[in-house]
Formats: sequence, C-alpha cells, structure tokens
Amino acid sequence: AQSVTQLDSQVPVFEEAPVELRCNYSSSVSVYLFWYVQYPNQGLQLLLKYLSGSTLVESINGFEAEFNKSQTSFHLRKPSVHISDTAEYFCAVRRAAGNKLTFGGGTRVLVKP
Amino acid sequence: ETGVTQSPTHLIKTRGQQVTLRCSSQSGHNTVSWYQQALGQGPQFIFQYYREEENGRGNFPPRFSGLQFPNYSSELNVNALELDDSALYLCASSLSSDTGELFFGEGSRLTVL
Repeated sequence: AQSVTQLDSQVPVFEEAPVELRCNYSSSVSVYLFWYVQYPNQGLQLLLKYLSGSTLVESINGFEAEFNKSQTSFHLRKPSVHISDTAEYFCAVRRAAGNKLTFGGGTRVLVKP
Repeated sequence: ETGVTQSPTHLIKTRGQQVTLRCSSQSGHNTVSWYQQALGQGPQFIFQYYREEENGRGNFPPRFSGLQFPNYSSELNVNALELDDSALYLCASSLSSDTGELFFGEGSRLTVL
C-alpha cells in the first residue's frame, strides 16, 4: 500500500516570496507522483506530474517539483507566488500499474499582499 | 470539449436515507473514479468503473455502490447514510483505466444531519 505525508497543513506566504510545499511518500513498488491544486469551491486540477525521465518537472504557471527517489520526496516549489496561488495543494501517488490515487492531507497556501 | 460535470452540487439528507450522485464523464473517456473528500482532508478513493464494470475499490463498505452506463456516465449510491458520510464527493474521468490522467469534476457536497 502507498501513503503520502504532507508535512505542512498551512503555509502563509507573502506575495512575490518563494514557497515550498513538502511531500513524502512510501511505497514498495514504482509509483507515479502528482500535485493537484484545489481552488475554493472547485474540484481538483492537475498541476504537474512525474511519470519517468527527468526528475524535475514544471507546470505552465511557474511551479516545479523534483522527484527524489532516495528521500522518497516530491516537494513543490515556486520562486515567486501571486495572490491567485491561494489554494489547497494535494500531493498524490499512484502505482505505475494501478488505478487508484492516494492523496496526502493537503497544504493550504494563503498568499498575503 | 465538455468537462466532467456532477449533480447535484449540494444536498442535505438525514441519517438512514439513501442518496444518488451523478457524473458525466469528459467526452471520449471510458473510465470513471469516485473519491470522498471529508472536510480538511485529502480525497480518498472509493472505486473505479471501466466499461461498465467495477475495476478497483477502496476501503469503503458495501453500502457505497456504483454504476457506469453505456455512455460512460456514472452514479454513486450510498445507502443507510451516516453522519460521517458528510463530505465532498468527487468524480474523475480518464481515457484508460491504468495510465490516463484524471480529470475531476467540481464535486457534490453532501451533508448528513
């Protein structure tokens, strides 16, 4: 079975400051890794994913995440946040041969002006 | 291209009642998954349907059941509602059962009194 731990439940950050959201996972098999974002009163949107290849993956809106197999981590970073980045962020894993996403508990990011 | 749509968006039931939630998949998607997101937590996998058959189930009791129709739309049924069933129920569709990206709807928020 897989599990996902997001170490920070809330992260307050000032506009234009950098942010890092931590995600650690456990699994005995190969996994795919995902970050989803959930804006207030909306469903989940895929932010970025790691399936294979380069361990650094980027999204179109400036977020990036790095897969670290030895530390079983997939931390999400953005060098400069905007007010519009205020949302809840979920890290998730899925077995490479499987159909179920296992989510972490989420990290709420509040960007302050 | 129409995204994933869910209905109803909000509903209130009392303990012991039954509820049916509906989901229309994104065009061309043959796989539907359902997730339960309790307040302040990450989504949890309920089950997945592929070509009208259940294709994986999470740790939910049998009173949680589902259907997928020939047009790939889906229903989630919950019998004998309990207070702890209060949650946001998310539907996600994908192109295939094991490798496709999940596209989420905005969810149905169920309150059980």
